[in-house]
Amino acid sequence: GQQLNQSPQSMFIQEGEDVSMNCTSSSIFNTWLWYKQDPGEGPVLLIALYKAGELTSNGRLTAQFGITRKDSFLNISASIPSDVGIYFCAGGDTGRRALTFGSGTRLQVQP
Amino acid sequence: EAGVAQSPRYKIIEKRQSVAFWCNPISGHATLYWYQQILGQGPKLLIQFQNNGVVDDSQLPKDRFSAERLKGVDSTLKIQPAKLEDSAVYLCASSSRLPGNTDTQYFGPGTRLTVL
Repeated sequence: GQQLNQSPQSMFIQEGEDVSMNCTSSSIFNTWLWYKQDPGEGPVLLIALYKAGELTSNGRLTAQFGITRKDSFLNISASIPSDVGIYFCAGGDTGRRALTFGSGTRLQVQP
Repeated sequence: EAGVAQSPRYKIIEKRQSVAFWCNPISGHATLYWYQQILGQGPKLLIQFQNNGVVDDSQLPKDRFSAERLKGVDSTLKIQPAKLEDSAVYLCASSSRLPGNTDTQYFGPGTRLTVL
């Protein structure tokens, strides 16, 4: 089946630093989504990407849909303590509408 | 707009017991998903409904798991009998796009199941 490789697995940074995480796949996806999950909660959608090469921002977050459609990255600028959580990438395809999730990047921010 | 509702939030049972989870999707969302999320992993699809029909249940362990969405709105997921490895968070998600298109899914808070 389809699998996503998400890296890094975890990050520990200082408040104010920028963060970058990415996902790669051996398969092509038509949609890339980035979610954040806080403890005890379901994933919350951050950014959705629908076109290869697309670069989209949401506040301090920026994500890109790779040209090959096999990868995506998420950047967080000027991190703050509330950015703490687990970030998941997810790929979607028209044939199988359900999402394939990465294993997550755990982000910790030191105030 | 109300989000995806799930209950209960937590459940502790002993192995071989039965358990059921309930999900109410966002109003008007035709597609409903159940995912299983084991600690330290991303969610994994169990079953996908389009209205009251099953679209994909290829990863549902059908010998013990069952799900239904009789009226095309609420859904229940049942495990009977439960095993230790079923301990996980069960997430419900819904989306509104039509079949054939990828969509944006919105998740509920999940039900954390512990099997002892």
